[in-house]
Amino acid sequence: DAGVIQSPRHEVTEMGQEVTLRCKPISGHDYLFWYRQTMMRGLELLIYFNNNVPIDDSGMPEDRFSAKMPNASFSTLKIQPSEPRDSAVYFCASSRGRPGAEQFFGPGTRLTVL
Amino acid sequence: AQSVTQLGSHVSVSEGALVLLRCNYSSSVPPYLFWYVQYPNQGLQLLLKYTTGATLVKGINGFEAEFKKSETSFHLTKPSAHMSDAAEYFCAVSGFMDSNYQLIWGAGTKLIIKP
Repeated sequence: DAGVIQSPRHEVTEMGQEVTLRCKPISGHDYLFWYRQTMMRGLELLIYFNNNVPIDDSGMPEDRFSAKMPNASFSTLKIQPSEPRDSAVYFCASSRGRPGAEQFFGPGTRLTVL
Repeated sequence: AQSVTQLGSHVSVSEGALVLLRCNYSSSVPPYLFWYVQYPNQGLQLLLKYTTGATLVKGINGFEAEFKKSETSFHLTKPSAHMSDAAEYFCAVSGFMDSNYQLIWGAGTKLIIKP
């Protein structure tokens, strides 16, 4: 298995632009998680899905952030409009929905908003 | 509610010295516990996990952790630190909330290895 795939690996954009981050989870995993990591705030859970349905989006910082999972093999995290404070590394992770299941992380997308 | 506390945001040890990273958890049910490692500019990867059975768990790269229920701890150790161990380490407990599974994460500990 190729593991969790994220694209792009790096994104540099200007304030006000729309940013779309993409994730392909491991086949057979029914949970998908989006995290954000910064020096100041550490690792934060933004939103997670179970069987393509958003379960908890309480970690999404603002209405500028939205996430979708149209099918079991694809998810997007969109920021519109982007702001400099959104600069961070965004991770996608997936897991099976069973006790003791580990989460498998993608390599992350490093976002820089100028 | 479940929670995880990692003592020390930074831990510095000399190469060849014992590594001890502390993790305490709170859980109302028997916990599943994890240690993840994040090397610079990489994603998190599983180091080891405790589910059931033997309380001493061995992981990759010579790390191990011991589940102590009476102390609600799951400390990570390695007998002899290598320069390549420099990374950030995260402790997590598996939670089942509102009929869904997720991991509850500690704040992370950066391990610094001195030559």
